[in-house]
Amino acid sequence: DAKTTQPPSMDCAEGRAANLPCNHSTISGNEYVYWYRQIHSQGPQYIIHGLKNNETNEMASLIITEDRKSSTLILPHATLRDTAVYYCIVRGYNTDKLIFGTGTRLQVFP
Amino acid sequence: DVKVTQSSRYLVKRTGEKVFLECVQDMDHENMFWYRQDPGLGLRLIYFSYDVKMKEKGDIPEGYSVSREKKERFSLILESASTNQTSMYLCASSSAGTSHYEQYFGPGTRLTVT
Repeated sequence: DAKTTQPPSMDCAEGRAANLPCNHSTISGNEYVYWYRQIHSQGPQYIIHGLKNNETNEMASLIITEDRKSSTLILPHATLRDTAVYYCIVRGYNTDKLIFGTGTRLQVFP
Repeated sequence: DVKVTQSSRYLVKRTGEKVFLECVQDMDHENMFWYRQDPGLGLRLIYFSYDVKMKEKGDIPEGYSVSREKKERFSLILESASTNQTSMYLCASSSAGTSHYEQYFGPGTRLTVT
């Protein structure tokens, strides 16, 4: 499975968009990009995933570059409850395992 | 709603004790996973199971074993607990091999070995 690189921490003002980058330069054509988040004292929670196209759901948007070597998770209007560690994961096409890195700690401030 | 429950939120055990961590899921999922989480290291996979009585080692299986006698239940066993096994333990479950693939996590068990 391809490795991912994320900044260790980011800040965002409440109400503004939070843009969390992820580099996955060794991703192969049939690997998916997944995003999870972990709020303090809870288990990780699925946010969104994508293969090639940009994706949007009620929680977030996922923008994947055309060469698929990087992606950005966008929380359009961050709230204090979005303070969490965000994990970007590349999932191999033939595996049900996810490999979590150390993620990005997002702090949303008032 | 998918529910993954773990037997304890907090557990304190002594060095050398045999420790059982239990996980139960109610969504008829084929896959179940055990992770440990330590500061600065993220989540690391210990073992996973893709069917009853089937198991595979993850990245850090040493010092652990698992048991899956029923589809809904996956147990992590520390045969002889040591202080370096003090950690947060997270269980997860998922259905197998779908394109929309999601692992559902329990709340975690914080184990302290003294």
